[in-house]
Amino acid sequence: AQSVTQPDIHITVSEGASLELRCNYSYGATPYLFWYVQSPGQGLQLLLKYFSGDTLVQGIKGFEAEFKRSQSSFNLRKPSVHWSDAAEYFCAVGVRGNTPLVFGKGTRLSVIA
Amino acid sequence: GAGVSQSPSNKVTEKGKDVELRCDPISGHTALYWYRQRLGQGLEFLIYFQGNSAPDKSGLPSDRFSAERTGESVSTLTIQRTQQEDSAVYLCASSSRGPSYNEQFFGPGTRLTVL
Repeated sequence: AQSVTQPDIHITVSEGASLELRCNYSYGATPYLFWYVQSPGQGLQLLLKYFSGDTLVQGIKGFEAEFKRSQSSFNLRKPSVHWSDAAEYFCAVGVRGNTPLVFGKGTRLSVIA
Repeated sequence: GAGVSQSPSNKVTEKGKDVELRCDPISGHTALYWYRQRLGQGLEFLIYFQGNSAPDKSGLPSDRFSAERTGESVSTLTIQRTQQEDSAVYLCASSSRGPSYNEQFFGPGTRLTVL
């Protein structure tokens, strides 16, 4: 069965600094890959997704992610973090059309001045 | 409506009581999913409805959990004889049908607290 690992439970960065959140997946083929963000008291919002093609994917709010097949990774990056980016970030995997997603346990991002 | 809605937003109940959680998906979305998010954990899949097909119940943790869906509209998740370990945020999502993987749109969730 597929699985998703987010090794960092909590990350703190300074406002304006760069950010990278790690995600590794386990699956025999190339899955569909997603990053979601959950702000306090809010539902999940899709940041970006990878289905095929260009391995560098651009998303909303200035985020991007790179799919690396050799490392089974799909790390999320942002060049300059804003205080409003403080939230919980979830990486997720889907394996075929419209089946339930498998989520990592999330990484909580704190942003300090 | 503009998005997936869920009610109630918060539910506090006593151990042993039954609860019903409601989800209204985006109009026209054929697929509906229920997930559970326990404190400090990711989302766990519970049950999945796709059109008129039999639901995928493989994620339900026990027979105390059940869910129904009326056609391609509202869904209700029922937890009978609630236990403290059922305390969690229950999230509903919906997606449309298509040839590829379709984005799941999530509701705000119902926070369930079992005392």
